[in-house]
Amino acid sequence: ETGVTQTPRHLVMGMTNKKSLKCEQHLGHNAMYWYKQSAKKPLELMFVYNFKEQTENNSVPSRFSPECPNSSHLFLHLHTLQPEDSALYLCASSQRLGSGVDTQYFGPGTRLTVL
Amino acid sequence: GQNIDQPTEMTATEGAIVQINCTYQTSGFNGLFWYQQHAGEAPTFLSYNVLDGLEEKGRFSSFLSRSKGYSYLLLKELQMKDSASYLCAASDSNYQLIWGAGTKLIIKP
Repeated sequence: ETGVTQTPRHLVMGMTNKKSLKCEQHLGHNAMYWYKQSAKKPLELMFVYNFKEQTENNSVPSRFSPECPNSSHLFLHLHTLQPEDSALYLCASSQRLGSGVDTQYFGPGTRLTVL
Repeated sequence: GQNIDQPTEMTATEGAIVQINCTYQTSGFNGLFWYQQHAGEAPTFLSYNVLDGLEEKGRFSSFLSRSKGYSYLLLKELQMKDSASYLCAASDSNYQLIWGAGTKLIIKP
């Protein structure tokens, strides 16, 4: 148990569906991250929030929409996804962005399949 | 560009020692992280190096050479539960982590 939870753990959706992924951290951290992990590829950083403010959007398509209502919760809203978006979506948190030894702690991920 | 290289897969024997190498090229450098990820699970933090040299933590040690852009993770007295992927990540000038694709370590009895 790393203190970061994600729901759902598995999600199958059609290309026209709308769904949301949820992440919650119980570590008192101020930075939260969304990553995409595809087989045999490096983790791809999608979004970063520091003290609820979005600080990074790594050219992510608009069909992915993040929301961070407070420092403990992070959502990823999904709509009109493509089959190539099928992957493991990982949430992580850290104490605060901008510190060298700012260790990120990960949730177990949501395995997303787009049909 | 920024890049991390690490072997795709390695095989070792239970009880032995294995060294997983990682080379990095980043815009600025604020440290090197190693994570362990078992199949279907979250990556978990193993080590952080920002100064040159060897950091030992039980059976696991991590080494960094900043001048060479090189790090390795050394695992001693291998156990079956060490079968996992090992991810190398370098922190760049903006403290963003640049990730390698991971090294899948297979332990054989």
